[in-house]
Amino acid sequence: AQKITQTQPGMFVQEKEAVTLDCTYDTSDPSYGLFWYKQPSSGEMIFLIYQGSYDQQNATEGRYSLNFQKARKSANLVISASQLGDSAMYFCAMRGLNTGGFKTIFGAGTRLFVKA
Amino acid sequence: GAVVSQHPSRVICKSGTSVKIECRSLDFQATTMFWYRQFPKQSLMLMATSNEGSKATYEQGVEKDKFLINHASLTLSTLTVTSAHPEDSSFYICSANDRGSTYEQYFGPGTRLTVT
Repeated sequence: AQKITQTQPGMFVQEKEAVTLDCTYDTSDPSYGLFWYKQPSSGEMIFLIYQGSYDQQNATEGRYSLNFQKARKSANLVISASQLGDSAMYFCAMRGLNTGGFKTIFGAGTRLFVKA
Repeated sequence: GAVVSQHPSRVICKSGTSVKIECRSLDFQATTMFWYRQFPKQSLMLMATSNEGSKATYEQGVEKDKFLINHASLTLSTLTVTSAHPEDSSFYICSANDRGSTYEQYFGPGTRLTVT
């Protein structure tokens, strides 16, 4: 069975500072992908970053980086230089790439508040 | 980038009626589409996996006779909520896999259903 855990219901960060959003996961699939999505109040799901389980390097996309620690089964999202527009809901997600029909499951989410 | 559309974006219906939500991949072929439901302040919960030309696979606890899914072509999947009740009021989001990619998944903008 697959499981994603996000233990931070809400996080506050000062504008221009960095923030880490936590995510741990569990899966029996040897090959999997980890994702982070941003969901603003409009409801759309915005893809931020992807990490494959066999990728040696941590993924980075602009101000977003994924701190992937496979042995600990964690995939934390780091947002650098926070901006007011980063205030939103953030979801960690996982997809098994060998089994499970490529379906993606989501964590409970973390609401990020960026303070001016 | 790939675009997934949903129609309608908002719908209000009376209790006991049925409502159909369309999900289209506009510029790619999607052999697999997924339907999610999101209640306020909660995460996305996978309802079912829809494969083109075959029956949908429903997640445990999702009533397949109530949530009818049809994936008649590589670009269209529909979700019909039959005999809707107020507790079915929710945000319904579809996503689609690009058949040429193992991890690219594109989300529609969502449909907000309100049952009165």
